[in-house]
Amino acid sequence: QKEVEQNSGPLSVPEGAIASLNCTYSDRGSQSFFWYRQYSGKSPELIMFIYSNGDKEDGRFTAQLNKASQYVSLLIRDSQPSDSATYLCAPRNTPLVFGKGTRLSVIA
Amino acid sequence: NAGVMQNPRHLVRRRGQEARLRCSPMKGHSHVYWYRQLPEEGLKFMVYLQKENIIDESGMPKERFSAEFPKEGPSILRIQQVVRGDSAAYFCASSGTDNQPQHFGDGTRLSIL
Repeated sequence: QKEVEQNSGPLSVPEGAIASLNCTYSDRGSQSFFWYRQYSGKSPELIMFIYSNGDKEDGRFTAQLNKASQYVSLLIRDSQPSDSATYLCAPRNTPLVFGKGTRLSVIA
Repeated sequence: NAGVMQNPRHLVRRRGQEARLRCSPMKGHSHVYWYRQLPEEGLKFMVYLQKENIIDESGMPKERFSAEFPKEGPSILRIQQVVRGDSAAYFCASSGTDNQPQHFGDGTRLSIL
């Protein structure tokens, strides 16, 4: 069974710091990944998609994929209180198999 | 609003009643997925449908749950004879093809009295 593991947190970082969220996966065939953000009581929102080894940057967000080590990470620079949410990673498969997500709390 | 539309947003049912949850995919999307999220739990896949076809229902409970996506109209997730354990948020997502990013609706919060 394809599995995705995430540290459930909460991960607390001060405002302005870099938040680092990690995700490991078991299926070596997974080639690309989605990162979703879910605010409490809301639906998941796609924020990043990475499909190759290395880094992909979008504004304050950087996704990193390391296929050899089977992990994918999301870095949030200059963290803001509005970034406080649960972050979910999922391999690009059908259907999506989500990890439990990491709860991020950015402290003002 | 061109996003994924789910209704109702909140649904309250008594034990033993039926619950019907509706989902209209994003415009241009023909792939629909249903997920369930229990309180303080992760999102769990239930079923994947295209128009008039169930593609993957490996996450659906064997009894009481069914889903359809007719040629016309929204996708329906139907739960018969609801029990307290069915209380959860049910999310629908859609995509244009099976490997494109899925976009989620706002969900239906189902509460069983």
